[in-house]
Amino acid sequence: ETGVTQTPRHLVMGMTNKKSLKCEQHLGHNAMYWYKQSAKKPLELMFVYSLEERVENNSVPSRFSPECPNSSHLFLHLHTLQPEDSALYLCASSQDARVYNEQFFGPGTRLTVL
Amino acid sequence: GENVEQHPSTLSVQEGDSAVIKCTYSDSASNYFPWYKQELGKRPQLIIDIRSNVGEKKDQRIAVTLNKTAKHFSLHITETQPEDSAVYFCAASNSGAGSYQLTFGKGTKLSVIP
Repeated sequence: ETGVTQTPRHLVMGMTNKKSLKCEQHLGHNAMYWYKQSAKKPLELMFVYSLEERVENNSVPSRFSPECPNSSHLFLHLHTLQPEDSALYLCASSQDARVYNEQFFGPGTRLTVL
Repeated sequence: GENVEQHPSTLSVQEGDSAVIKCTYSDSASNYFPWYKQELGKRPQLIIDIRSNVGEKKDQRIAVTLNKTAKHFSLHITETQPEDSAVYFCAASNSGAGSYQLTFGKGTKLSVIP
């Protein structure tokens, strides 16, 4: 499959559960991103990775823990989430995080926290 | 940090009419301004972008203008078609800690009425 893929597409979890979101890019890019998209709010950048190194962490609560084992894969580990964390989580990639260029988004994971 | 305001939040136009979406930004150091289109249930996709050394850019029915002095930029869609119906996001990019971060507006839901 080409482009940016995300799994699962939908996830329902309780506040005490631990789950992980997975993102994979097949574009040969060096930078990957996690965004949170909530209703009636702007897309919020959560994390930026450049060549597997985290370069930005925008004051995200520690219950969200990213992992980037290589430049093609990005994970978001979730634990003890709150209902207000329910949102669409979008992964994106770009050629390089140090210069401005197009970000390609995945289809997102629709997360519901009960 | 950067703050991007986008107006209007919703916009309805008749097919064939023009649509204009406006954004303002706060950080005078921002120098890259992309526009993303997100159709219902789909991922955001870049439709056009402009860099600070250019005042206007056009791609078929879509154009973007940038006024750096006033810190605002606009998306213009001419001869609108039903397939233009989507949510449009503007963004501004600045380089923080060595990486380019995108700060998004809240989005404009455009409805093109046949």
